[in-house]
This record gives sequence, structure tokens and C-alpha cells, in this order.
Amino acid sequence: ETGVTQSPTHLIKTRGQQVTLRCSSQSGHNTVSWYQQALGQGPQFIFQYYREEENGRGNFPPRFSGLQFPNYSSELNVNALELDDSALYLCASSLDIGLSYNEQFFGPGTRLTVL
Amino acid sequence: DQQVKQNSPSLSVQEGRISILNCDYTNSMFDYFLWYKKYPAEGPTFLISISSIKDKNEDGRFTVFLNKSAKHLSLHIVPSQPGDSAVYFCASWGGGGADGLTFGKGTHLIIQP
Repeated sequence: ETGVTQSPTHLIKTRGQQVTLRCSSQSGHNTVSWYQQALGQGPQFIFQYYREEENGRGNFPPRFSGLQFPNYSSELNVNALELDDSALYLCASSLDIGLSYNEQFFGPGTRLTVL
Repeated sequence: DQQVKQNSPSLSVQEGRISILNCDYTNSMFDYFLWYKKYPAEGPTFLISISSIKDKNEDGRFTVFLNKSAKHLSLHIVPSQPGDSAVYFCASWGGGGADGLTFGKGTHLIIQP
């Protein structure tokens, strides 16, 4: 069974640029969530995708967008990067089987630095 | 407005003793509470969880206690081992919001030999 993988591991961008981060879900999972973890903070929920549709969103502006593909892999896109976007971006996958809570499995994250 | 609070940024415990990590929450609609463990350069790993209808859940050396009236939960690790040194995150799910988890800021647990 393959766990959640993310690419790239590290990334450096400049303010105003755009970035795409990628995530491969754990085998058999149909739901993916993205989180932002700033230094010294806990992860903050960005959004969740289920069957290629956005299924829930946290308190993040529209310049944070995502995609989920038919194989359940996912992308997080951030436009017009700001210095405060520097953070560890975590992807988590889960299998939605209609329970109240479905366990989320996290990838190792992508460390984004915005200069 | 932080809905999940871990007020101790760090905790140092001697090997073999009990480690107690605390967490407070403000949203009484949370349905589920979880503890995650995180090592550097790795993603958070699920440790133990508890439903809002229970007050205790045990898994080996790990026990989570939930006090709904006080909106407080705690994680007990007995006995503490060197491999337990990590950052521990308390997280909640539900609360009428989006489907993501709400995390605290974490507590860095250091097990001293």
C-alpha cells in the first residue's frame, strides 16, 4: 500500500509568482484535503476535494485553488504569492464511506518559501 | 479566534514517567477529537481519537480523556519512551463548519533519558 506522496519537497518563489503543488493520494482513497502550516502554528485547513469537486473550504482567499483528477491525485495552486504564503503545505487523503469522520492520512508536505 | 488551544508550547518528561498533554476547545459542536504526532520532515501521524459521546479511549500506552463540560481533553502517555519525543497536535472535527480538521498549535514533547 502506497502512502500519500507530495512534490516537490522544497520550493522557492518570489512575491507575485504562481505555484503548483502536487499530491498523490493513498491507494484506494477518494478524498483529498490541503492544509497550510505556518512556522510555529498548527496546520490550517485550506479546502477538500471529493470526486473532483471542492467539498469544503477554510478561511483562505480565492487565489488558493485546487484540482482533483480522476485518479484522485490533486494539485494546489496559489496565485499572486505573498510573503505570508511561506509555509509547509500538507496534503491528506481519506476514504469517504459515509461515516461522520473519515481518518485522514498526511503526506510529508512541501516547504514553500516566498522571497 | 483559535477554536483549539494547546497552551504549553513544550513539555519535558523523564523517560518512564507519565506525559500529560492538554488541549482546550471552544466550539461545543465538535464531534470528534484526535491527537497527531509529528516528527521533523514528516507529515502528522494519527495517534488516537475519541468521539464526543465518550469520555475515555485507550490504545496501548496512549489514553485520551475528554471532559465535555470543561471543553478539555488530555493525552496521557505511560510510560514515556525516547521515541515519543515529537510535536503533538490536538485536532477537532465537525463543529458545523467545513470538513477539515481544526488543529491546535502543538506541544513539543521532549523525553529526557
